[in-house]
Amino acid sequence: QQQVKQSPQSLIVQKGGISIINCAYENTAFDYFPWYQQFPGKGPALLIAIRPDVSEKKEGRFTISFNKSAKQFSLHIMDSQPGDSATYFCAASIRANFGNEKLTFGTGTRLTIIP
Amino acid sequence: SAVISQKPSRDICQRGTSLTIQCQVDSQVTMMFWYRQQPGQSLTLIATANQGSEATYESGFVIDKFPISRPNLTFSTLTVSNMSPEDSSIYLCSVEGRLERDEAFFGQGTRLTVV
Repeated sequence: QQQVKQSPQSLIVQKGGISIINCAYENTAFDYFPWYQQFPGKGPALLIAIRPDVSEKKEGRFTISFNKSAKQFSLHIMDSQPGDSATYFCAASIRANFGNEKLTFGTGTRLTIIP
Repeated sequence: SAVISQKPSRDICQRGTSLTIQCQVDSQVTMMFWYRQQPGQSLTLIATANQGSEATYESGFVIDKFPISRPNLTFSTLTVSNMSPEDSSIYLCSVEGRLERDEAFFGQGTRLTVV
């Protein structure tokens, strides 16, 4: 199974709050889990990524939490700002397959940060 | 990081015609990927293009409909053939990072509307 399930579909968070987006996967061969941020009219841009040998990775206000046994990972945006309003995609790939590291994307979450 | 230029950025086409989308990268890359993003939806991989060989298509996509060229390590084209309104979508080119193979970079996309 190559599917990656993402929730919620849309999310509204007050400025300064914590935004949480969740993803679940089925293929245990996945070994790379990035999050992409996409603004309207732009291509997705890598936000943060994690490998399954760690349970958490933090970069600034963005944190990925990873639960290998549950096959779930989530993105936390601390102190959410209006500039964070965008669509977020989780993804997964098998990096061990050299030359074919295609990404399987989640369905996306439209995040809106309100003042 | 890799800089990707896609042309055209948008187009409106008549049904039954074909459109060729160009993707130019500022550095040599082994693999290039073509994705489709239907309005408000996630990204779906169309095919993987390796220089000097035939592109590898994902399930549901065929070469006759989406022929791909990869003449060198910095350029690729995707043609959407015999278009119908169902082909209206954003088409994105992607490459893996030059130095850090963990990151995939995306072009800004080509927004195609078929009327």
